[in-house]
Amino acid sequence: EVQLVESGGGLVQPGGSLRLSCAASGFTFSSYSMNWVRQAPGKGLEWVSYIGISSSTIYSADSVKGRFTISRDNARNSLYLQMNSLRPEDTAVYYCTRASESYSGIDYWGQGTLVTVSS
Amino acid sequence: QSVLTQPPSASGTPGQRVTISCSGSSSNIGSNTVNWYQQLPGAAPKLLIYNNDQRPSGVPDRFSGSKSGTSASLAISGLQSEDEADYYCAAWDDSLNGRFVFGTGTKVTVL
Repeated sequence: EVQLVESGGGLVQPGGSLRLSCAASGFTFSSYSMNWVRQAPGKGLEWVSYIGISSSTIYSADSVKGRFTISRDNARNSLYLQMNSLRPEDTAVYYCTRASESYSGIDYWGQGTLVTVSS
Repeated sequence: QSVLTQPPSASGTPGQRVTISCSGSSSNIGSNTVNWYQQLPGAAPKLLIYNNDQRPSGVPDRFSGSKSGTSASLAISGLQSEDEADYYCAAWDDSLNGRFVFGTGTKVTVL
């Protein structure tokens, strides 16, 4: 069974930093591209960042470019999101998601971790 | 920030058919496949339809998807109370160095 478990969320002040982690299990992590997707309270889904299998391909949304960095450790079956210069508008539930290897899209989602940026 | 446009709400009585539209452009729906996600209240999204019209195992066949040009649709036939949820379309977008885009979301209410 595919499992994606996020951790690292919490309350942080504007301008602060936070590192999210995602522990993957139930599949060969090193064979799949991964994404982070977020959802602000009461709002829709927003794609944040994508990382390819070997980390050589990375894409990020304009809203986080230069502030957030996605990375992965295939030996530890883990995905990360380093978030710097956080703003109140970054407040959201952050989901770790797996990209399907057979079609263009996300096939599995974690349960999410809440990040609150507030003073 | 959403690039794909959906109606904010849709509703129907149990047993009715409900259709949700998703409008995009040539750089996303027009050149890539569409996926649909269901988000039940308080839960993470779940894959409902992939490759425009394919259902993952376990998804009831009352859910169906279609795509034409730069638009896509999700239909729910035989609406049930447990279908009350938010629904999002999504597709890869080939513009601006690549990005994944979601629809604005549609809240389905079972009357």
